[in-house]
Amino acid sequence: QVQLVQSGAEVKKPGASVKVSCKASGYTFTSYYMHWVRQAPGQGLEWMGVIIPSGGSTTYAQKFQGRVTMTRDTSTSTVYMELSSLRSEDTAVYYCTRQTIPTGGLGYWGQGTLVTVSS
Amino acid sequence: DIQMTQSPSTLSASVGDRVTITCRASESISSWLAWYQQKPGKAPKLLIYEASSLQSGVPSRFSGSGSGTEFTLTISSLQPDDFATYYCQQYNSYPWTFGQGTKVEIK
Repeated sequence: QVQLVQSGAEVKKPGASVKVSCKASGYTFTSYYMHWVRQAPGQGLEWMGVIIPSGGSTTYAQKFQGRVTMTRDTSTSTVYMELSSLRSEDTAVYYCTRQTIPTGGLGYWGQGTLVTVSS
Repeated sequence: DIQMTQSPSTLSASVGDRVTITCRASESISSWLAWYQQKPGKAPKLLIYEASSLQSGVPSRFSGSGSGTEFTLTISSLQPDDFATYYCQQYNSYPWTFGQGTKVEIK
């Protein structure tokens, strides 16, 4: 079965960077794009960007351009999301997520990683 | 960016009620729309994709309709497990965008 397992919670100071990992299993890693979505406390869902595991190309939401980097390691079926220059507004749960089928919605989700930015 | 606007933001309903949530896109997204249910502390759960296709394992009381810019999610007979927040999301073009959510509360 498809599983997306994320790294644990992080506490960071303003200005620092955070790198969240997402290890995929149960399917061919290079066959499906991986997206990152975040949710601030009490707020809605926000799409951050996507990485194509087969070639590594990325598309980021303009809001995060210059601060976010998504990478992948095909040898371990793991994708990474690094966010730099953290501010308090980046406090959120970060999810990696995958479509169920190429034309479907986001049907597989990691468990979420809480990133807290606080001085 | 394509803006997704849901209405209402909050909905109070009773078990057994028929519930309808509307989602409007700022431009045409064909049928590239998904609906999600989210409960506190949990990841979103996919209910509907391609505007009207029921995700495997989702109860048939959930249905979706629409195309272009107007979409609806209907729960035919609200059950206790359905009290949650619902989001629409377009995947016609990047950046993918979500509606602001509709909280379905117990009346």
